[in-house]
Amino acid sequence: GAGVSQSPSNKVTEKGKDVELRCDPISGHTALYWYRQSLGQGLEFLIYFQGNSAPDKSGLPSDRFSAERTGGSVSTLTIQRTQQEDSAVYLCASSWTSGGSFSYEQYFGPGTRLTVT
Amino acid sequence: AQKITQTQPGMFVQEKEAVTLDCTYDTSDQSYGLFWYKQPSSGEMIFLIYQGSYDEQNATEGRYSLNFQKARKSANLVISASQLGDSAMYFCADIPGTASKLTFGTGTRLQVTL
Repeated sequence: GAGVSQSPSNKVTEKGKDVELRCDPISGHTALYWYRQSLGQGLEFLIYFQGNSAPDKSGLPSDRFSAERTGGSVSTLTIQRTQQEDSAVYLCASSWTSGGSFSYEQYFGPGTRLTVT
Repeated sequence: AQKITQTQPGMFVQEKEAVTLDCTYDTSDQSYGLFWYKQPSSGEMIFLIYQGSYDEQNATEGRYSLNFQKARKSANLVISASQLGDSAMYFCADIPGTASKLTFGTGTRLQVTL
């Protein structure tokens, strides 16, 4: 079946502009995660959605970052007034949960490479 | 808070040899999971192997095995019979028992040579 998809694959923006990054999780996956990978670094957690629960926003680096998930499926990560330090690859992942059961494995999308000039 | 340490920024191994990539973790959770992911130059994160904290047997997936030493808080990845296609970044990660966010190490770049 289809995996996690992300768009755009590449985004170049000028400093100070707003950007929106989109993630389509695997159908039926109720958990959705956003991570950021800066050049040569590991992945840094940003935000986690689980069903209808309030999202875990503990990883968002500043209030310029926000995310929403509509209809329990597609998610959009928005970065306002972008800065050069926001340049990174933004990765989305999803996993399934059902009742009291869940899968630990997170399936990753191909990422969006954001470059702020 | 979870912390993952990968002390080998880069490793070389000859084709067909085995290699061990080190990972130690620091968590106060009683229940947790440990992962290894592979990231080739194309950028995608590929799941390799998972070990649960209560699993008594070391996890194995084909040529990949996880050497889990709970008392030492180590979860090393062993790749047997290395192939040129194994050249990539390898990340160790852990997840709490509540199955929320992954915490990643800084990665090890593996280069397989002829």
